[in-house]
Amino acid sequence: QVQLQESGPGLVKPSETLSLTCTFSGGSISGYFWSWIRQPAGKGLEWIGRIHSSGSSNYSPSLKSRVTMSVDTSKRQFSLRLSSVTAADTAVYYCARDVQMAVVGTRYFDYWGQGTLVTVSS
Amino acid sequence: DIQMTQSPSSLSASVGDRVTITCRASQIISDYLNWYQQTPGKAPKLLIYAASTLQSGVPSRFSGSGSGTYFTLTISSLEPEDFATYYCQQSYSIPMYTFGQGTKLEIK
Repeated sequence: QVQLQESGPGLVKPSETLSLTCTFSGGSISGYFWSWIRQPAGKGLEWIGRIHSSGSSNYSPSLKSRVTMSVDTSKRQFSLRLSSVTAADTAVYYCARDVQMAVVGTRYFDYWGQGTLVTVSS
Repeated sequence: DIQMTQSPSSLSASVGDRVTITCRASQIISDYLNWYQQTPGKAPKLLIYAASTLQSGVPSRFSGSGSGTYFTLTISSLEPEDFATYYCQQSYSIPMYTFGQGTKLEIK
């Protein structure tokens, strides 16, 4: 079955770069968009950005200056880098598959990873 | 950015109750609206997409409606496993998705 799994350091120092990888199994990574979403403890969901299997990407305007995403289709992996982190970046980070209902229609996240907690602290 | 506002922020109900959660968009988003359920410590789970289409495997007691700026999620008869936090999400302003702030459904 389709599964996504986030991996990466659980602790990052302030001003450094957060790096996470999401590994996809149970299907093809090609032809889809793949998103990163985060959730600070006790708070709501924030979309960070997405990357297509072709390598094209879109980022949230509020994070765009600090975010880079990449994809490695041969490994069925996509990655997130968030630079110059502060305590405000402490959150559970999720990866998710981003699909469209039809040729024209809503987009939604149908499969999610379990999430990984990243704490920014010295 | 399109802002999504859910109400109420929290709700207490009993097993067997019918509950409705609303989600309002700050501008017209057609039916580009999805609903997710999140239980503590777990990832969100897709319930409904395109405002009213039930995701495969989701019980029929869940239903969604609405278009434009006003949307609702209804649970016809609460089961114990339905006590969770619910989020709406718009995908009209691609590629800037936004979520509502969440509605926490608690046991009365």
